[in-house]
Amino acid sequence: GAVVSQHPSRVICKSGTSVKIECRSLDFQATTMFWYRQFPKQSLMLMATSNEGSKATYEQGVEKDKFLINHASLTLSTLTVTSAHPEDSSFYICSANRGPGELFFGEGSRLTVL
Amino acid sequence: GDSVTQMEGPVTLSEEAFLTINCTYTATGYPSLFWYVQYPGEGLQLLLKATKADDKGSNKGFEATYRKETTSFHLEKGSVQVSDSAVYFCALSEGGGADGLTFGKGTHLIIQP
Repeated sequence: GAVVSQHPSRVICKSGTSVKIECRSLDFQATTMFWYRQFPKQSLMLMATSNEGSKATYEQGVEKDKFLINHASLTLSTLTVTSAHPEDSSFYICSANRGPGELFFGEGSRLTVL
Repeated sequence: GDSVTQMEGPVTLSEEAFLTINCTYTATGYPSLFWYVQYPGEGLQLLLKATKADDKGSNKGFEATYRKETTSFHLEKGSVQVSDSAVYFCALSEGGGADGLTFGKGTHLIIQP
């Protein structure tokens, strides 16, 4: 079946540094990908919609200058957490849309900012 | 805005017990409804879905019926197995899944042999 891969699965960084997380659709092309953030014991919260070849659409309250999203190809979207701080520590999950109702999720990336 | 409320866990059952995980939603339009499952160490997987009122989604022995009158989409299984232990997420989409999903908090299910 369809597979979406995220990398890295875990990352630890120092406060003030930037971290890039990749989301790849391995066996299909995805014009749209989504980035979610999950806090412990909380829902997955949609952060932004990543559209291939155009700017991402951010949900209300999500800082677009903090969370940079690039969808440069039909199989790759990246999320860069810039100048990370401890409050950015979270579980980040991407999903890729193969078609209407066909959403496939990555395994998630756990970011810890020291 | 849209929201999904599902029962808090963990839910602990014995093998072969009957399972119900409640899910209710609020939405401005006519959403599609989904149940996703996350096994330990894996990404979310679509378990079942329903796109309109009275539709029943089913997969792997799990069922859920889209009840518009009660704005609910409860997940049921007649006889659970240890391998069903996972976190289950109820979710909705106003765009049939073409847009982002609104998720519930997830329910951790533990099945004991």
